[in-house]
Amino acid sequence: SQQGEEDPQALSIQEGENATMNCSYKTSINNLQWYRQNSGRGLVHLILIRSNEREKHSGRLRVTLDTSKKSSSLLITASRAADTASYFCATFDRGSTLGRLYFGRGTQLTVWP
Amino acid sequence: DGGITQSPKYLFRKEGQNVTLSCEQNLNHDAMYWYRQDPGQGLRLIYYSQIVNDFQKGDIAEGYSVSREKKESFPLTVTSAQKNPTAFYLCASSIWGAGETQYFGPGTRLLVL
Repeated sequence: SQQGEEDPQALSIQEGENATMNCSYKTSINNLQWYRQNSGRGLVHLILIRSNEREKHSGRLRVTLDTSKKSSSLLITASRAADTASYFCATFDRGSTLGRLYFGRGTQLTVWP
Repeated sequence: DGGITQSPKYLFRKEGQNVTLSCEQNLNHDAMYWYRQDPGQGLRLIYYSQIVNDFQKGDIAEGYSVSREKKESFPLTVTSAQKNPTAFYLCASSIWGAGETQYFGPGTRLLVL
């Protein structure tokens, strides 16, 4: 499968703590994206990191990419109860002419007040 | 407001019945996608379309059909050949290109009576 694999499948933390989620993939990629999904809703794009980038920040989000290990991590600092959601990574294959993304199965994050 | 809409929010299908899920976008995006989401399995691509009057099968196209007669619209029909249609269906759109960000609708939950 070309899908990314998130780890852990579920993560439970207290408000104020940092949350780290990992994504591993198998192919050579052009970019990797992280999305968030609140229960019963559509996905919302969080951040895109290209294969020639190693780290990217957006507010309380920090994404790293290690193409030699074919892995990425998403760090949410100072978590809030409102961060409770599922988080998915999605990859776009290098050299692909089809334009499609491959989504992982997601990490379910629960942040307790 | 620019965005992507799906209707209905809930849909019930009887045995042997075809049902159609609506997806409309006013983002002027060329590409549109349909995903199926089952618990614990992440997002699986059903069909996608790069331009009007053209579409490609994704990973699980059997039992589904689509059309793309207008840029704004990409309806999905779940046919009676799809034996296990109960799932959450998500539509997305993007600028056509190398793994661009996808914008998702709110989803349609399909249940079988």
